[in-house]
Amino acid sequence: NAGVTQTPKFQVLKTGQSMTLQCAQDMNHEYMSWYRQDPGMGLRLIHYSVGAGITDQGEVPNGYNVSRSTTEDFPLRLLSAAPSQTSVYFCASSTLAGYNYEQYFGPGTRLTVT
Amino acid sequence: GNSVTQMEGPVTLSEEAFLTINCTYTATGYPSLFWYVQYPGEGLQLLLKATKADDKGSNKGFEATYRKETTSFHLEKGSVQVSDSAVYFCALSDRGFNKFYFGSGTKLNVKP
Repeated sequence: NAGVTQTPKFQVLKTGQSMTLQCAQDMNHEYMSWYRQDPGMGLRLIHYSVGAGITDQGEVPNGYNVSRSTTEDFPLRLLSAAPSQTSVYFCASSTLAGYNYEQYFGPGTRLTVT
Repeated sequence: GNSVTQMEGPVTLSEEAFLTINCTYTATGYPSLFWYVQYPGEGLQLLLKATKADDKGSNKGFEATYRKETTSFHLEKGSVQVSDSAVYFCALSDRGFNKFYFGSGTKLNVKP
């Protein structure tokens, strides 16, 4: 049982480049989400999904795109990288059953945009 | 709306000292409350949780009580260890919407 996995662990991009951060979970969770973590700002929600084919915006969605074609995978796409997107990105998942809503986090992707 | 406010850090303590990290929240409904811990270079791990008023969450010597009257969920530990050095995040989830709201995190440094 791998839980939530993220790839890559580290990435350096040049301004204007695009890339996809991968996230997968093997717990059959309905809910998946992407956060960015910046110093002194905690975690901010970028996008989330409550099931395959359903996505919605979080607090800071601009410059990012997501899709959810399967229950397991929830990739995050940076359309045209900017230095302001330098951050640590975390993917998380949880079940929607009951009121538990405990989120399980991946190990993170540290992204630097130059 | 929903939000979480945590005390600013860093908090520096000597080993075996008593720890309190304050957390207050604003919520429109009846949220569940969580404390997560992040060790250096790692993702967030659930430390403890409480799903209704007056519930006490506990794990690894840490405790927090869901206080609806003061909208608080303060984290406490009676005797901290060097291995407790980490960043602690308070969070709430909004039932029915399944969104999580995190505080800004409090860094704890424990010195031997």
